[in-house]
Amino acid sequence: EAGVAQSPRYKIIEKRQSVAFWCNPISGHATLYWYQQILGQGPKLLIQFQNNGVVDDSQLPKDRFSAERLKGVDSTLKIQPAKLEDSAVYLCASSPARGRDTEAFFGQGTRLTVV
Amino acid sequence: GQNIDQPTEMTATEGAIVQINCTYQTSGFNGLFWYQQHAGEAPTFLSYNVLDGLEEKGRFSSFLSRSKGYSYLLLKELQMKDSASYLCAVTLDTGRRALTFGSGTRLQVQP
Repeated sequence: EAGVAQSPRYKIIEKRQSVAFWCNPISGHATLYWYQQILGQGPKLLIQFQNNGVVDDSQLPKDRFSAERLKGVDSTLKIQPAKLEDSAVYLCASSPARGRDTEAFFGQGTRLTVV
Repeated sequence: GQNIDQPTEMTATEGAIVQINCTYQTSGFNGLFWYQQHAGEAPTFLSYNVLDGLEEKGRFSSFLSRSKGYSYLLLKELQMKDSASYLCAVTLDTGRRALTFGSGTRLQVQP
């Protein structure tokens, strides 16, 4: 079974530039998450999708971050404009079921450096 | 709000046993996960507890006490490859099932 695919693996941008990350979840997984992991910390949820609808985006800085999940499959996360404090690893995860706990499968992440 | 506490770092010797503790204070707890994360890699699932008690899976075991807001991950017969960060994460009873993570415990296994 193919895992969660993310691209790019690494990205370096200057502050105030824009950047986009792409995620392809495991086939058939209805739930998709984007997490931000700052060095030395645990992942923090940015947004959760159920199919192509947003379930939770309460921790997404909506003045600069946006995300969409086209047709309930692939997802993109965008930052515009980027700030220095956005330097982090952006992890995408997916899980198969709704309404009960199941393990989330994580992609390898995109490491963003804002200079 | 949610508060999940783990020790920042631990060191143990190859072949030994180590226990990584996690305490949590959350508004509406459902279940607790442990994930392993090697440097530069994705977190991978280790265990899940929803009821009180011990869940054993090979060299790894996880314990939960819902009344005390406490869990631990027990690693036996430590190997060098167990050097990694161990993340404690909870889910809430909101039905959304997203993971809320602690800051992680970085375990260093020494020869």
